[in-house]
Amino acid sequence: ETGVTQSPTHLIKTRGQQVTLRCSSQSGHNTVSWYQQALGQGPQFIFQYYREEENGRGNFPPRFSGLQFPNYSSELNVNALELDDSALYLCASSTPRGSTLLNTEAFFGQGTRLTVV
Amino acid sequence: DAKTTQPNSMESNEEEPVHLPCNHSTISGTDYIHWYRQLPSQGPEYVIHGLTSNVNNRMASLAIAEDRKSSTLILHRATLRDAAVYYCILKRSNQAGTALIFGKGTTLSVSS
Repeated sequence: ETGVTQSPTHLIKTRGQQVTLRCSSQSGHNTVSWYQQALGQGPQFIFQYYREEENGRGNFPPRFSGLQFPNYSSELNVNALELDDSALYLCASSTPRGSTLLNTEAFFGQGTRLTVV
Repeated sequence: DAKTTQPNSMESNEEEPVHLPCNHSTISGTDYIHWYRQLPSQGPEYVIHGLTSNVNNRMASLAIAEDRKSSTLILHRATLRDAAVYYCILKRSNQAGTALIFGKGTTLSVSS
């Protein structure tokens, strides 16, 4: 059983550019959530995908968008990058236990460190 | 958002028990109490979760108050590897789906 893997591990982009981050979920997990973690802060929820549909969204602008594929891997896209987008981006996968996602743990990847200059 | 209150920091000595408190007075009946920890330069790691009853696993124990308005994560024998930020989270279904909503957490320091 493989864990959650994210790519790339580090990335440097210029303000105004676009970026795509990738996440391969743990085997059998159909739910993926993305988080942004600024230095010294707790992770902030961006959005969640369940079986290829967006299942929830945090307080992030529309230039943050995502996709989930049939194999449950996922992408996070950020357009028109701003300096404040510099952060660690984390992906977490999980799968319902019974009929609920509340009673199940999430498995996090190591993250992608994005630097916007 | 479901709010939890944790001390900013705590200190412990190696091989001693650690009790990390969390207040969640606005908890609702269907909220699960989850604990995660984040070691330096790593993604968060699941520790334990529960609904009403106390829970034990290989990493820790979770003691939940009878009224569910508070809980305590217990590390039975702290090691240097337990030094991390510990997050207490109420997991519920809302506009965020069922995502984990992190607060500031408690930074645990462990001394040898």
